[in-house]
Amino acid sequence: QVTLKESGPVLVKPTETLTLTCTVSGFSLNNATMGVSWIRQPPGKALEWLAHIFSNDKKSYSTSLKSRLTISKDTSKSQVVLTMTNMDPVDTATYYCTRIIAAARHIDPWGQGTLVTVSS
Amino acid sequence: DIQMTQSPSSLSASVGDRVTITCRASQSISSYLNWYQHKPGKAPKLLIYAASSFQSGVPSRFSGSGSGTDFTLTISSLQPEDFATYYCQQSYNTPITFGPGTKVDIK
Repeated sequence: QVTLKESGPVLVKPTETLTLTCTVSGFSLNNATMGVSWIRQPPGKALEWLAHIFSNDKKSYSTSLKSRLTISKDTSKSQVVLTMTNMDPVDTATYYCTRIIAAARHIDPWGQGTLVTVSS
Repeated sequence: DIQMTQSPSSLSASVGDRVTITCRASQSISSYLNWYQHKPGKAPKLLIYAASSFQSGVPSRFSGSGSGTDFTLTISSLQPEDFATYYCQQSYNTPITFGPGTKVDIK
């Protein structure tokens, strides 16, 4: 069974850096047919894709957030880490870690999500 | 970036109704179009990938069609558990983009 679990702070202050960790099980980060994506959803708003990373370490980022995001992986720990710098209250959202299938780049499954609030 | 639009933004329907949701891409995306169902407090769920391929375990009342720029998700007979928000997502190229969602609620 494939599962993904997000962990990280529930509250960050404006200007701080957010670090989220995704721990996966049921598949390997070395598997060339899949990768890991981060997606967020601000309260009451639509889903927004942030970044993904594949087994060959190929990374892609949201155009609007590219300057603030870094995605990396530790295959030995089955973990993918997303950092977002200079957090702002508009970044308050539920952040999801997901598996992305390389061939058609569809997303399945999704982690349960973690709500991150940005407030002083 | 490829822009995705959906219509309608919301709809009210009754159990047993046939429901159709439309998704349009700002440029051709071939068949790189996926559909998700999202219920409050839960993780989104993949329904359809590659425009018309069924994800394992998804009820057969859900179907997808289209190619190029225009796509549809159809629920042939709406069930109580189908009331949710539905999102399309293009995976033709990065950055991956989602539509704004279509909320389906009870009439």
